[in-house]
Amino acid sequence: GNSVTQMEGPVTLSEEAFLTINCTYTATGYPSLFWYVQYPGEGLQLLLKATKADDKGSNKGFEATYRKETTSFHLEKGSVQVSDSAVYFCALLSGYSTLTFGKGTMLLVSP
Amino acid sequence: GAVVSQHPSWVICKSGTSVKIECRSLDFQATTMFWYRQFPKQSLMLMATSNEGSKATYEQGVEKDKFLINHASLTLSTLTVTSAHPEDSSFYICSASSESLWLEQYFGPGTRLTVT
Repeated sequence: GNSVTQMEGPVTLSEEAFLTINCTYTATGYPSLFWYVQYPGEGLQLLLKATKADDKGSNKGFEATYRKETTSFHLEKGSVQVSDSAVYFCALLSGYSTLTFGKGTMLLVSP
Repeated sequence: GAVVSQHPSWVICKSGTSVKIECRSLDFQATTMFWYRQFPKQSLMLMATSNEGSKATYEQGVEKDKFLINHASLTLSTLTVTSAHPEDSSFYICSASSESLWLEQYFGPGTRLTVT
């Protein structure tokens, strides 16, 4: 079956630090990959996505590259801000199946 | 585009009563809607998938008589928590997808249910 594994948090960083949140997946076929962000008390917002191997999704300074050879979709940002503090979910969608989510990684950025 | 709303955003109800949560796709027709439950500091747990005009498909372990889902139109799905108990207190999130949007799911802002 499909599964998503992401690093446990919380990830604690100072403002302007470099961010990496690891995500690896197991899936049949050729899934689409997503990163969602959830701010406190809110629903999920799509942050970025990639639909095929070697695609790079990017948004708001965040990037992730679909690596088929390592089955990974790591999230990166060069310089985090306090406003980036949230929970980040990696997810995959394979064919007509439902979304499979990782457990989420909390990011805490201090000034 | 692809905006999903939920109503109410939060609700408090007494034990034994029922509460209805609405999920609407505002600018697209959602052929499929999903209901998730999220416990504090945990991931989303899919409760059920509903297609317009047909019965919802519930995930294993989810009581379909307790969590009634209706998807009466292409823009509205409702989740009714019947005879609510304190353990039903949670954050409920819906999402919607459409074949015209490549089946990508768009999420609502969530509804915080507290049962006293």
